Amino acid sequence: KQEVTQIPAALSVPEGENLVLNCSFTDSAIYNLQWFRQDPGKGLTSLLLIQSSQREQTSGRLNASLDKSSGRSTLYIAASQPGDSATYLCAVNPNAGKSTFGDGTTLTVKP
Amino acid sequence: DTGVSQDPRHKITKRGQNVTFRCDPISEHNRLYWYRQTLGQGPEFLTYFQNEAQLEKSRLLSDRFSAERPKGSFSTLEIQRTEQGDSAMYLCASSSNGRFEAFFGQGTRLTVV
Repeated sequence: KQEVTQIPAALSVPEGENLVLNCSFTDSAIYNLQWFRQDPGKGLTSLLLIQSSQREQTSGRLNASLDKSSGRSTLYIAASQPGDSATYLCAVNPNAGKSTFGDGTTLTVKP
Repeated sequence: DTGVSQDPRHKITKRGQNVTFRCDPISEHNRLYWYRQTLGQGPEFLTYFQNEAQLEKSRLLSDRFSAERPKGSFSTLEIQRTEQGDSAMYLCASSSNGRFEAFFGQGTRLTVV
């Protein structure tokens, strides 16, 4: 059974800092891995999708990496802003069907 | 707006009542997923459809829960004889074959009193 862990559960940083969010998974046989952002009481917004054959994806200030052999993915956020405050979730898709989610990292960026 | 649409956004019901939620996926997406999320947790998979076929159901989906996707378009999730433990956010997502990037709706917040 796939298990996904996100550490830390919460993170508080000053504005402008670069930061890394971590996601680990137990079964390396994955189809893709997706990072999401969730604001309180809202749905999930897709940030980046990494296919199993890829090592990283970039979008603006965000960079996600994938190391299947070690069961890890990181989300790097450059020059953080207060508007980046949200919960970040990673989801592992093993076979193009259902995904298994971590419980998220809640990020607070202080002005 | 061509995103995933869920209705209603909020539902308050008394214990024992039946409720039904609707999800309209992105029009060209043939996969549709239902998840449930409780406070402080990540979404948990409930079921998913490829067109009109329900391909997988989680053990979380007890016999009080049923989902349909007639004609492979919108989907409904019904909960019969609601219990307080059913209180959660119910999320719908859709994806296309090939890329399988999931796009989520805004969710339906269910409160059972």
